[in-house]
Amino acid sequence: GENVEQHPSTLSVQEGDSAVIKCTYSDSASNYFPWYKQELGKRPQLIIDIRSNVGEKKDQRIAVTLNKTAKHFSLHITETQPEDSAVYFCAPSGDYKLSFGAGTTVTVRA
Amino acid sequence: EAEVAQSPRYKITEKSQAVAFWCDPISGHATLYWYRQILGQGPELLVQFQDESVVDDSQLPKDRFSAERLKGVDSTLKIQPAELGDSAMYLCASSLFGQDEKLFFGSGTQLSVL
Repeated sequence: GENVEQHPSTLSVQEGDSAVIKCTYSDSASNYFPWYKQELGKRPQLIIDIRSNVGEKKDQRIAVTLNKTAKHFSLHITETQPEDSAVYFCAPSGDYKLSFGAGTTVTVRA
Repeated sequence: EAEVAQSPRYKITEKSQAVAFWCDPISGHATLYWYRQILGQGPELLVQFQDESVVDDSQLPKDRFSAERLKGVDSTLKIQPAELGDSAMYLCASSLFGQDEKLFFGSGTQLSVL
């Protein structure tokens, strides 16, 4: 199965600063690379995704970059706000099953 | 926006009892997933259905867990007998066709086994 690792496991940033989370995967057949956000006590929700034929995708303050050769992709959050405080999960998938990373807890300090 | 429905929201049971969770995916979604999430960890896939067929149940503890999606729409996950280590959040999710696309999650069932 797919081995998925996320780093860091926790991240504390000052409001307005940027946050970057990296996800490393093992299955070279993976072709879909999403990031989910889970606020405390709520369900995971997709915030951004990218496919293997694209290197970068942006949506307002969030972006995802993909390096298929190195088998990792990253979530970038700019101008962080208190509402960005949550747990973020990567979940690379392909022909085989989708596997979630262990999560990164992001805390935005006011 | 359509949502994945799950019930009950909370379940407290004693060990050795039977429990059942229900999930109704978004209408038209062919793929349905049951995940278990322990606090502080990522969701772990228990079973994946494509329509009414199981496509992946490799992580399902089949001696005590069972899942069905008889008509390819709603689904039931059962645990019998429940053990203390089964305490967790059980999340249902659905997607239109398969795992290489957006998953829509339900609110989950928080199970406590005493």
